[in-house]
Amino acid sequence: SQELEQSPQSLIVQEGKNLTINCTSSKTLYGLYWYKQKYGEGLIFLMMLQKGGEEKSHEKITAKLDEKKQQSSLHITASQPSHAGIYLCGADSNTGNQFYFGTGTSLTVIP
Amino acid sequence: NAGVMQNPRHLVRRRGQEARLRCSPMKGHSHVYWYRQLPEEGLKFMVYLQKENIIDESGMPKERFSAEFPKEGPSILRIQQVVRGDSAAYFCASSAGTGRNQPQHFGDGTRLSIL
Repeated sequence: SQELEQSPQSLIVQEGKNLTINCTSSKTLYGLYWYKQKYGEGLIFLMMLQKGGEEKSHEKITAKLDEKKQQSSLHITASQPSHAGIYLCGADSNTGNQFYFGTGTSLTVIP
Repeated sequence: NAGVMQNPRHLVRRRGQEARLRCSPMKGHSHVYWYRQLPEEGLKFMVYLQKENIIDESGMPKERFSAEFPKEGPSILRIQQVVRGDSAAYFCASSAGTGRNQPQHFGDGTRLSIL
């Protein structure tokens, strides 16, 4: 099975600071997804990256995919308390029938 | 809001009882996935279904767990003779097409507690 390792495991930042979360896959990536989960709630889809070098942005969140390194990074600019939550990367299996999630990064933003 | 709907949000069962979790996919989605999130652990894939078919159930425990997605009605995840270790949050997701490169949209989950 595919393993997705995220780093850091947890992050505490002051409001207004920038931060980066990394996701590294043990196998070839066939599509990389970023989700956010708030405690006790479901997952919110943020972005999907399909091609090496692809970069997407949504409001103050930018994600990049480095297919060769089997890595993706999520960057938040000028963090706000509303960004707090657990960020999860996810990837399709090579068959497309299964989906794997990363270990998660817990983000706390201090006002 | 035509998002993925799961019910109930919370379910309490005694050991040995049956638990039924329901999931209605987003409008227009015919692919459904179930995941389990154990306390302090990540989300684990359980099963992938299309209408009336189980496509991949490699993540499902071999015993007591079953899933269906009938032609009409919601997808059902059924757990028979529940045990304490079944306590978890169960999430359902749906997508419009085949697994790869199709974002999955998630429901708010069902939190199952076993007494």
